[in-house]
Order: sequence, then structure tokens, then C-alpha cells
Amino acid sequence: DTAVSQTPKYLVTQMGNDKSIKCEQNLGHDTMYWYKQDSKKFLKIMFSYNNKELIINETVPNRFSPKSPDKAHLNLHINSLELGDSAVYFCASSRGVNTEAFFGQGTRLTVV
Amino acid sequence: GDSVTQMEGPVTLSEEAFLTINCTYTATGYPSLFWYVQYPGEGLQLLLKATKADDKGSNKGFEATYRKETTSFHLEKGSVQVSDSAVYFCALSETSYDKVIFGPGTSLSVIP
Repeated sequence: DTAVSQTPKYLVTQMGNDKSIKCEQNLGHDTMYWYKQDSKKFLKIMFSYNNKELIINETVPNRFSPKSPDKAHLNLHINSLELGDSAVYFCASSRGVNTEAFFGQGTRLTVV
Repeated sequence: GDSVTQMEGPVTLSEEAFLTINCTYTATGYPSLFWYVQYPGEGLQLLLKATKADDKGSNKGFEATYRKETTSFHLEKGSVQVSDSAVYFCALSETSYDKVIFGPGTSLSVIP
């Protein structure tokens, strides 16, 4: 059983399009995250949700809109995609503060 | 704010060599410390963790000791294998916020 699963694994799209990435966790965790990994492998947190409520928004452009329909799901919608949005996006979950995060396999987004 | 610093890579070692990847952190409270590993094309996996000073985390032959006096959590392995080739991330999580902060990652290549 996959603990944190995200779809799609690869996403190639044109500039200006709108796309979504879905994430689900079956670990019973209360907290979910989106991280962005750039071409140099640097990982930066984008959002943190606890029990469907937004806890952290790390100065991400408002073209990025997370949505959490329930505490097991955290989807990421991106409007008006730009070339600079190309990266690998990771969903993760944890039991809460001071605990480790469990990661999905990542979505490689390429904007052309 | 809190941060994690790791030694610059890439690191190239011969099989059976000794590995050390240095990690130091800055934190206002009492963080938990982690090492994650990312194999090519995959997501991040937790390698080991330590939750308080002087704790030693270990897994798959890797070890790291939480040193509060030097704010360090260096990763070591006595004899690396080709299958250890990956990117290694040092990370921390605190009680005061709901996120895991990552270092920049260190790429390790082990050659036969």
C-alpha cells in the first residue's frame, strides 16, 4: 500500500495553462504539505495544512492554490503556468509538529 | 529563522570507503533532526532520526548523533556501497511550527 500517493508522476504543459496535482495519504496523519524541488535539488516548503486548514503559506504566488477536501487529501492547482514553475513537486504528510514527514514520489512538472 | 547547512557536494567515493556528510543547524527551540535519502527519480525516504540531545539514529549502516553543544548531526557510514549513491538531506522539525526544514542536499556517488 502506498502511504502518500500523488498523481500524475509527469506533467508536460504549455505556458498559460492551468493544471492540478492530486495527493492522498492513508497514514491517518493530520498534517499535509507541498514542497517544491528545483533543478539543484533544493527543497522548499510551499504550504502546510493541518486538519484541512492552511497553516503555512511560504510566500508562494497566488497562482498556486492548495485545496484540502478532507484531511487525507491535499491537491495543488496552478493557474497561468510559467516556465519558472518547472520543477518537481512533492506532497508529504506527518503526524504533526516535531515529527518526520513522509513523502510521495513527486510530480515532475515541465512547462514549455 | 531556523536553518540547516550541509557540506557542499558532489561527493565521490570508492566502494568500501568511509563516509561523512557534515550537517549543522540553527534552531530557536529543541528540534528533532533527520536524515533523508533521495535515490534517482524517486521521492524522499527517511533514513534515520534523533529527537533529543545525544540520541544516535541508525539505519542500514548509517549513523548520526544529535550534538546539541555543536548544533550538529553528521551522517556517517563505515563502508559505502554503489547502491548508496543518492542525494542526502539533513532536516529538522520543531515544536513551534508545522514544517520540516531541509538542508540543500549532498549528492553522493559511489564508484566500484
